[in-house]
This record gives sequence, structure tokens and C-alpha cells, in this order.
Amino acid sequence: RKEVEQDPGPFNVPEGATVAFNCTYSNSASQSFFWYRQDCRKEPKLLMSVYSSGNEDGRFTAQLNRASQYISLLIRDSKLSDSATYLCVVKIYNNNDMRFGAGTRLTVKP
Amino acid sequence: NAGVMQNPRHLVRRRGQEARLRCSPMKGHSHVYWYRQLPEEGLKFMVYLQKENIIDESGMPKERFSAEFPKEGPSILRIQQVVRGDSAAYFCASSPDRGANYGYTFGSGTRLTVV
Repeated sequence: RKEVEQDPGPFNVPEGATVAFNCTYSNSASQSFFWYRQDCRKEPKLLMSVYSSGNEDGRFTAQLNRASQYISLLIRDSKLSDSATYLCVVKIYNNNDMRFGAGTRLTVKP
Repeated sequence: NAGVMQNPRHLVRRRGQEARLRCSPMKGHSHVYWYRQLPEEGLKFMVYLQKENIIDESGMPKERFSAEFPKEGPSILRIQQVVRGDSAAYFCASSPDRGANYGYTFGSGTRLTVV
């Protein structure tokens, strides 16, 4: 089983749509969680951290369910500029490196 | 404050040659991480280094790959006798300490092409 698993997509949605991405992780010792965004042939960029109580940043909402080892990202009112690959990332406490999912590709169309 | 700097951006090597990839962490950061991304795949952890120490190299191939982070100068990822399968994007990230509660900033990567 992969450490971090994501639905690869692609997700093709119209502008203004709401889209949700899911991610599961296998290591129950995982302590920190993030969503990164990666544009084609560019480096990954931190989109947001994910907190146990859930958190929101503008049109983006992240949720964490530790019992189910599940993370989600919700994007409301999708923009063309949201088109990218979204990477789910976990970090194990006492192990400082981050483990990446393979990513979910999103295309927002006019 | 310059971000994580990687060079070269693009590197072409013939099979059997050596590739040297450089990463200068953000100012004040003493922890460096290397990741590899094969085409159409996610990032795979390779190695985590602090100044003059390799902390975790569990993701490094057993042969031909080595990494260092000297007291002075950038971190170097070295690939000896490159093969076509080494063609990938290599990303470096840095952090100031072992803190677990923030994500890392990545450099723009080095795209290695082996011909």
C-alpha cells in the first residue's frame, strides 16, 4: 500500500464549479498534513496546511479525519487559474521528510 | 530573501557521464531535502541532510547516487554513470529546523535529461 494515495483524476470542471479531492495515508504516526499545488513543469508550492479542526483559506477548505486517516481539499467557485495538479502531503513526527501523493490533476474549463 | 536556489535548471548528460546538481537553501536554513519526480509521477523522497551530516538517505538508490551538504557552499546531489532512467526533475527544499508543523519551500528544480 502506498504511503499517501490520491485519486489521480483528471477532474475536468467548468468555471464556478465546486470540486473535492480526497487523500488517504497509511502511517498512523503522521503528524502534519499539507496540500501543495504543482503547475506543469514547475516546482510544488504550498497551498495550505491542514489542521485537525479543518481550515479555510478563501475558496479553499481543507479537512482532516485522523481516525480514518483521510484528508480532503474543497475548492469552491473554481477559476481557470486553479488548473494544476494538487498534491497531498504528510509528514511523520520525528521523521522530518514529507511524503507526497502522486497528485490529482484538475482542469477548469470556461 | 532569496528562496531555495537550484542550478542548473536544465542538464543534459550522455549515458555514463556524471551529473552534479546544486541546491542553495534559503538564508538561515540548515536542513536540505532532495526529491525526484519522474515524468507523470509524484515526488519521491531521496535524502535529508543537515550541514555536514546525512540524516536520512532511505530514498536514495543504493548505487551511483550520493549527496552532501558541506559546512560551506551548496548541497550537491551527485549521480555517477547516469542512465536513461535517471532522467527526471530533481527538486530541493530547505527548512530552518526539525519543526514538524510547516511545509517546505522548494527550489525550481533541475531537469536532468540523459541521452
